[in-house]
Amino acid sequence: KQEVTQIPAALSVPEGENLVLNCSFTDSAIYNLQWFRQDPGKGLTSLLLIQSSQREQTSGRLNASLDKSSGRSTLYIAASQPGDSATYLCAQQGSQGNLIFGKGTKLSVKP
Amino acid sequence: NAGVTQTPKFQVLKTGQSMTLQCAQDMNHNSMYWYRQDPGMGLRLIYYSASEGTTDKGEVPNGYNVSRLNKREFSLRLESAAPSQTSVYFCASRDFRGSYNEQFFGPGTRLTVL
Repeated sequence: KQEVTQIPAALSVPEGENLVLNCSFTDSAIYNLQWFRQDPGKGLTSLLLIQSSQREQTSGRLNASLDKSSGRSTLYIAASQPGDSATYLCAQQGSQGNLIFGKGTKLSVKP
Repeated sequence: NAGVTQTPKFQVLKTGQSMTLQCAQDMNHNSMYWYRQDPGMGLRLIYYSASEGTTDKGEVPNGYNVSRLNKREFSLRLESAAPSQTSVYFCASRDFRGSYNEQFFGPGTRLTVL
């Protein structure tokens, strides 16, 4: 059974810090990996999609990497801001196009 | 372009009542999905529709039925609601272009079963 694990479950940092969120998956036959942001009581906003043939994707202050051999992906957030406070979800695409989610990392950026 | 829309946003049911959650997308996507999100469990797949006219069970299908009404709409029905179905329900559609697959989510329906 495919599983996705995210560590840490919660993270608190001061504003301005660079930080890394970790995601590991058990199925090395990965299709795509997608990172989402979820604000309290809200839906999921897609941040970055890394196709199986790619090693990383960048959008603004966000950079996501994918290492299939080790079964890991990381989301790097540069110069964190209070507005980055949210839960970040990592999801691996399954064979039917569905997503298998980790339980998320709750990020708090303090002013 | 509204993306993925869901109705209703909130619903309270009594045990044994039935209801249908509606989902529509205007992005011309072939595949659509229903997930539920529970504290400590993350998001789990209930049912999916790879294309118009097809539906398949996901990880947690018991107590639910689905209908792919047309390419745009994919509904989720609870025939006899139970407190264990209290959850937040998300609908998603998939942009499939060869190796590029990205899923887009609706805002969710928050369901409480008393």
